[in-house]
Amino acid sequence: DILLTQSPATLSLSPGERAALSCRASQSVSHFLSWYQQKPGQAPRLLIYDASKRATGIPARFSGSGSGTDFTLTISSLEPEDFAVYYCHQRSNWPPWTFGQGTKVEI
Amino acid sequence: QVQLQESGPGLVKPSGTLSLTCAVSGGPISGSFWWSWVRQSPGKGLEWIGEIYESGNTKYNPSLKGRATISLDKTENQFSLKMSSVTAADTALYYCARVFIQWGGGSDYFDSWGQGTLVTVSS
Repeated sequence: DILLTQSPATLSLSPGERAALSCRASQSVSHFLSWYQQKPGQAPRLLIYDASKRATGIPARFSGSGSGTDFTLTISSLEPEDFAVYYCHQRSNWPPWTFGQGTKVEI
Repeated sequence: QVQLQESGPGLVKPSGTLSLTCAVSGGPISGSFWWSWVRQSPGKGLEWIGEIYESGNTKYNPSLKGRATISLDKTENQFSLKMSSVTAADTALYYCARVFIQWGGGSDYFDSWGQGTLVTVSS
């Protein structure tokens, strides 16, 4: 299985600050990585696919970078609605498809 | 816009079988998509269970040791999950989701999700 390790587990920031979330894969997943945002009581929402492509309707303050084993989700300036849990997900090597354990961005 | 809605019993007895259905509206259950199940144990992260293509081709998470079966009903525009021999460890919020297939070499990704349904395994 490909293990995705997200860090930090929790990120404590203020609105307007920049957030950088890391996702490291135990072996190369090329660019087959996506990022999801999950708010309490809601299903995950797609933010980024192909490691760096923003999904439809996602604000430009969200960006993704990386390839191979190291990936970063950056939120350039946090808005109040961005405080949530973020997951990375790989669909390079199966079985199984795997998720990271999540990073909580809190105020 | 496609919508997915899970349904099924919220309580299952240990050693029993969990059965869930995902009704798909706003589009056919065909095309360039996998139809997937993902679960989330209370306070934990996401675990991919398995998925099915319109042809009936399926993929499953080996960690479930063959207990999961996913099927698809095109006439009813829905797909289903059955998981046998459940234990307390299978207590979770179960999501159905659609995976968009990028045939051109890009990464497939979850583009639509249901709201999730909580299944508790308890006697």
